Amino acid sequence: EAQVTQNPRYLITVTGKKLTVTCSQNMNHEYMSWYRQDPGLGLRQIYYSMNVEVTDKGDVPEGYKVSRKEKRNFPLILESPSPNQTSLYFCASSLFPHRAYDEQFFGPGTRLTVL
Amino acid sequence: KNQVEQSPQSLIILEGKNCTLQCNYTVSPFSNLRWYKQDTGRGPVSLTIMTFSENTKSNGRYTATLDADTKQSSLHITASQLSDSASYICVVINTGTASKLTFGTGTRLQVTL
Repeated sequence: EAQVTQNPRYLITVTGKKLTVTCSQNMNHEYMSWYRQDPGLGLRQIYYSMNVEVTDKGDVPEGYKVSRKEKRNFPLILESPSPNQTSLYFCASSLFPHRAYDEQFFGPGTRLTVL
Repeated sequence: KNQVEQSPQSLIILEGKNCTLQCNYTVSPFSNLRWYKQDTGRGPVSLTIMTFSENTKSNGRYTATLDADTKQSSLHITASQLSDSASYICVVINTGTASKLTFGTGTRLQVTL
């Protein structure tokens, strides 16, 4: 089954404790992206990757890191989480989103709480 | 600045009724526009995708329209069902290798008995 998986689905942590949220897709997609979703603000892009070893900042990259060592995986790293990073996080993948009809698939989401 | 604005913010309708959600955008250069349905706590799921040359696209009871001249899109839901209760998000994508996606904040639809 074609899908994007994220782990963990729920995480409660404390300020400053490094964490990684994994994202994996099995569709051989070139493009992967991380978003955060907060009430009233909609989805905002954190980082995206056009291909292996190619990453770029989205609209809200501060406090986050990513890597793309393999095509299928795109982990999101919070080196020193802070309470303002409490949010619902989504990973997504597609072939090329600027190409019409390239479907973008979203993962199930990771709800992160930083105390 | 690229922006996508949606209206209304929220909407309550009776089961079986129709409704129309609006999306205005300023994204340029334009590649395509997508409507997503997002159930609470879940990832968005694509409903329709339209390029600038298309002015209507249907997916079952969902019909999206696009006016690339006025930079407006609408999503019409016919004969609503309780399962239509969700947030509907308009996303506009620009052209080029950057593949920038701009999301609207969504319309939260509640369908009641």
